[in-house]
Amino acid sequence: GAVVSQHPSRVICKSGTSVKIECRSLDFQATTMFWYRQFPKKSLMLMATSNEGSKATYEQGVEKDKFLINHASLTLSTLTVTSAHPEDSSFYICSARIKGLNTEAFFGQGTRLTVV
Amino acid sequence: EDQVTQSPEALRLQEGESSSLNCSYTVSGLRGLFWYRQDPGKGPEFLFTLYSAGEEKEKERLKATLTKKESFLHITAPKPEDSATYLCAVQDPGSARQLTFGSGTQLTVLP
Repeated sequence: GAVVSQHPSRVICKSGTSVKIECRSLDFQATTMFWYRQFPKKSLMLMATSNEGSKATYEQGVEKDKFLINHASLTLSTLTVTSAHPEDSSFYICSARIKGLNTEAFFGQGTRLTVV
Repeated sequence: EDQVTQSPEALRLQEGESSSLNCSYTVSGLRGLFWYRQDPGKGPEFLFTLYSAGEEKEKERLKATLTKKESFLHITAPKPEDSATYLCAVQDPGSARQLTFGSGTQLTVLP
């Protein structure tokens, strides 16, 4: 099956610093990637839709200047949490859909971000 | 706005005790209903996609069914390794076709 690799799996950073999370589709091209945030024992909350070669579409209430998304190629999207604060601590997950197919999305392993 | 409701929130079963998880949805036009399994600290793992009422799909001890308003994930003779959170999602009919997830059912299978 299609594989999505997310890196890093865990990161601890100091308050005020920025953190970059990478999401790669390893064996397929993905025109669209999605970024989610998940709180403990809660479901996935869509943050933004990342489109290759264009600006990301953010969900209501998500600060685009805080969560910078870049989708530079058909296999890579990055999420940068800028000026991180403790309340940004969460589990971030990306997913990707195979280019040309509006079917299931495949998920990365997730990134546990802890801001201290 | 699409809504997805899963029940129960948590389910504890003895090994071998079959049961079903429910996912009810209200959407303007169903493009697909998806079941995922999520282990703690991991991303969701794809299980099934269902597109039309009456459709059924099976994988090992799991069988997913779909009606016009809900989907069931039947677990037959579960084993402890089936313990996980099971998520269902519907696909938005918009251009991006993003997924709207339910809150999940946390399944624990006791040996």
